[in-house]
Amino acid sequence: DAGVIQSPRHEVTEMGQEVTLRCKPISGHNSLFWYRQTMMRGLELLIYFNNNVPIDDSGMPEDRFSAKMPNASFSTLKIQPSEPRDSAVYFCASGGVAGVTADEQFFGPGTRLTVL
Amino acid sequence: GQSLEQPSEVTAVEGAIVQINCTYQTSGFYGLSWYQQHDGGAPTFLSYNALDGLEETGRFSSFLSRSDSYGYLLLQELQMKDSASYFCAPNNAGNMLTFGGGTRLMVKP
Repeated sequence: DAGVIQSPRHEVTEMGQEVTLRCKPISGHNSLFWYRQTMMRGLELLIYFNNNVPIDDSGMPEDRFSAKMPNASFSTLKIQPSEPRDSAVYFCASGGVAGVTADEQFFGPGTRLTVL
Repeated sequence: GQSLEQPSEVTAVEGAIVQINCTYQTSGFYGLSWYQQHDGGAPTFLSYNALDGLEETGRFSSFLSRSDSYGYLLLQELQMKDSASYFCAPNNAGNMLTFGGGTRLMVKP
């Protein structure tokens, strides 16, 4: 298994531009999580999907952030418009096996976003 | 509300034993997870305690006391490669995890 796949690995963009981060979870996992990590705020949960449905998006910082999961093998996190304070490492993680409660989350390698 | 406390930094020498404490306050608590993250890497799962007591996995052990909202990670026979950040993360409904700033462990020769 390739694990959780994220793209791009690095993104540098200018303030005001739209940014789209992509994630392919591990096949068979029914939970998907988007996290953001900064030195100041640590590792924060942004949004959680279960069976492709957004369950909790209370961590999404503001309306500029949106996330979708159109199918079980793909999710996107979009920032529009981006701002310098959005610079961070964004992790996608998947977990759980359909119908079974699982404890471990598997993290992707992350996308390092820099907004100039 | 939710809160999570663990030391920001711990230093120890190779071969020693180190304990990283974690206190938490959260609603809908299911259990306590521990993750390891090396610089530039992604968090990786170490252990999960759903019940009170000690869970042992090789050199690492994790403990939970639900009544005290307290847990710890015990690392034995420290190796240089154990230098990393360690996160305790309460599990809530839906296996949602609450992470904080983590504890940076530096192992010295």
